[in-house]
Amino acid sequence: GENVEQHPSTLSVQEGDSAVIKCTYSDSASNYFPWYKQELGKGPQLIIDIRSNVGEKKDQRIAVTLNKTAKHFSLHITETQPEDSAVYFCAASLVEYGNKLVFGAGTILRVKS
Amino acid sequence: SAVISQKPSRDICQRGTSLTIQCQVDSQVTMMFWYRQQPGQSLTLIATANQGSEATYESGFVIDKFPISRPNLTFSTLTVSNMSPEDSSIYLCSVTSGVYTGELFFGEGSRLTVL
Repeated sequence: GENVEQHPSTLSVQEGDSAVIKCTYSDSASNYFPWYKQELGKGPQLIIDIRSNVGEKKDQRIAVTLNKTAKHFSLHITETQPEDSAVYFCAASLVEYGNKLVFGAGTILRVKS
Repeated sequence: SAVISQKPSRDICQRGTSLTIQCQVDSQVTMMFWYRQQPGQSLTLIATANQGSEATYESGFVIDKFPISRPNLTFSTLTVSNMSPEDSSIYLCSVTSGVYTGELFFGEGSRLTVL
């Protein structure tokens, strides 16, 4: 089955700097790669996703890149703000199998002001 | 995206008891899932809740421990049976509105503490 590894486990950046979180997946058939942000005491919130037919996707300060050959994808957050502090999870799935997501271990992002 | 409501939001339970968590969605959805998030950990899929039939469980999870119901397209329940302290976790309901869209949305979770 699919296995997703996520690095780093914790990341501290200064406000205004960029943050990058990386994930690798094992199943080359996976074709959907979302990123979730989880704030303390809340459920995960989908912030951006990418499908296997796209190499990069941007949404304001957030971008995701996908390298299918290497089987890795990354989340990029630019101009970080204190409200970006949260736990971020990457995930992978094969949507034809019913959207069953396999999650990475999570990254605790701390943005210092 | 769908609005997902879970009850209870948190509870403290005694060892050996059972608790049922409810998940209500504000619109009809094609698929509903239950995930577990142990303290400080990632999310693990427990099962897919199938409307009108038995849930499909992932490896390591069994129906006797986690019975699931889904009587219609907007509602599901997860019961955690015969609880032990190891069951202390956040249990999350998630839904998708399209089989091939991929987007999965989560409720706020039900935080269970078993003493």
